[in-house]
Amino acid sequence: GENVEQHPSTLSVQEGDSAVIKCTYSDSASNYFPWYKQELGKRPQLIIDIRSNVGEKKDQRIAVTLNKTAKHFSLHITETQPEDSAVYFCAPRDWANNLFFGTGTRLTVIP
Amino acid sequence: EPEVTQTPSHQVTQMGQEVILRCVPISNHLYFYWYRQILGQKVEFLVSFYNNEISEKSEIFDDQFSVERPDGSNFTLKIRSTKLEDSAMYFCASSGLAETQYFGPGTRLLVL
Repeated sequence: GENVEQHPSTLSVQEGDSAVIKCTYSDSASNYFPWYKQELGKRPQLIIDIRSNVGEKKDQRIAVTLNKTAKHFSLHITETQPEDSAVYFCAPRDWANNLFFGTGTRLTVIP
Repeated sequence: EPEVTQTPSHQVTQMGQEVILRCVPISNHLYFYWYRQILGQKVEFLVSFYNNEISEKSEIFDDQFSVERPDGSNFTLKIRSTKLEDSAMYFCASSGLAETQYFGPGTRLLVL
């Protein structure tokens, strides 16, 4: 399966600042790259995804950028709000169409 | 908006007992998955299922585990003889022709 790493493992930002989380993966055949948000005790929820034929995608305050050559993709959250506090997981899809989750980044937005 | 559902939400069992975790995927979805998440850790892939058979399974999914789609709506994960280390949150997910996987709320399994 994929070898997926996320950095940083924890991130604290002031409300209104930006947050960036990076994910590296190993399977060069991966072609689908989602980010999931998980609040304590709840299910992972898809917040944004990108396919390999696109370099960047934006949805309001959230964006994802992909560098297929370097095998990494990043989550960008602008104008952070306290409700953005959660654990974020990248989960690139491997050659067999299964998601492999990263180790997670705990984001804390300080009001 | 349709959602994946799972039952029970919590299950406590004795080591060595069999458990069955149930999932109802989104109705027009074709691909089904089980993942587990040990407390405080990442979500781990267990198995994928398509066209009434297992597509892929991870090394976690050993002979103690099995999956079944007994009817047109349910998708189950059975653990034959539970071990302490099986304690985790188990998530079911489903997807249609697009890649997006939608997760259920999970079943928290505690093995004593």
